[in-house]
Amino acid sequence: DQQVKQNSPSLSVQEGRISILNCDYTNSMFDYFLWYKKYPAKGPTFLISISSIKDKNEDGRFTVFLNKSAKHLSLHIVPSQPGDSAVYFCAASARYGGSQGNLIFGKGTKLSVKP
Amino acid sequence: GAVVSQHPSWVICKSGTSVKIECRSLDFQATTMFWYRQFPKQSLMLMATSNEGSKATYEQGVEKDKFLINHASLTLSTLTVTSAHPEDSSFYICSARDTLHRGKYSPLHFGNGTRLTVT
Repeated sequence: DQQVKQNSPSLSVQEGRISILNCDYTNSMFDYFLWYKKYPAKGPTFLISISSIKDKNEDGRFTVFLNKSAKHLSLHIVPSQPGDSAVYFCAASARYGGSQGNLIFGKGTKLSVKP
Repeated sequence: GAVVSQHPSWVICKSGTSVKIECRSLDFQATTMFWYRQFPKQSLMLMATSNEGSKATYEQGVEKDKFLINHASLTLSTLTVTSAHPEDSSFYICSARDTLHRGKYSPLHFGNGTRLTVT
């Protein structure tokens, strides 16, 4: 059973427009959510995070929104740039339950930003 | 920022041989490191949690005798794939969290991964 779901395997956006990547989760114990960016044959790079006590976190062109009631979060990139083209992974973590804070990842969404 | 170095970046080995992958935290100490595995078009799956000075904790379905993990220092963890078979071919990625950030909201930092191909 997949606890973190990214239902869109790919997304194509025009340069300058907004990119919206979505993520759903099922485990109500998750209290910390992260977005990672990954290029081919490279490890994921941390992008932005949000804790469950917030509903929005912004860092430059990147904003993450959290809707706890819907168990849904999204990453907004605006304006999108060609260099943003990569695979974006949503990840979630629960403080309790002996997980030691390890992350549960979605399958990723491949973003292509066209010039 | 925190850097995690993973070596080698790719390796090809023959079936039945063993391969060691190193993961180092370059500018921070990590009492805990995590080893992930990624199959094509799949998410990163946690294999095991490596704890400095103690035994690793393996996820369900991961053979501890096949994937040997050693975390001998605060900056180095190794994963050895023993008696490798073609089905072990995958992308292996390690990650670590800065020990000084004891709060729950410290992100994991990942190495660049190791592409293992077993022929």
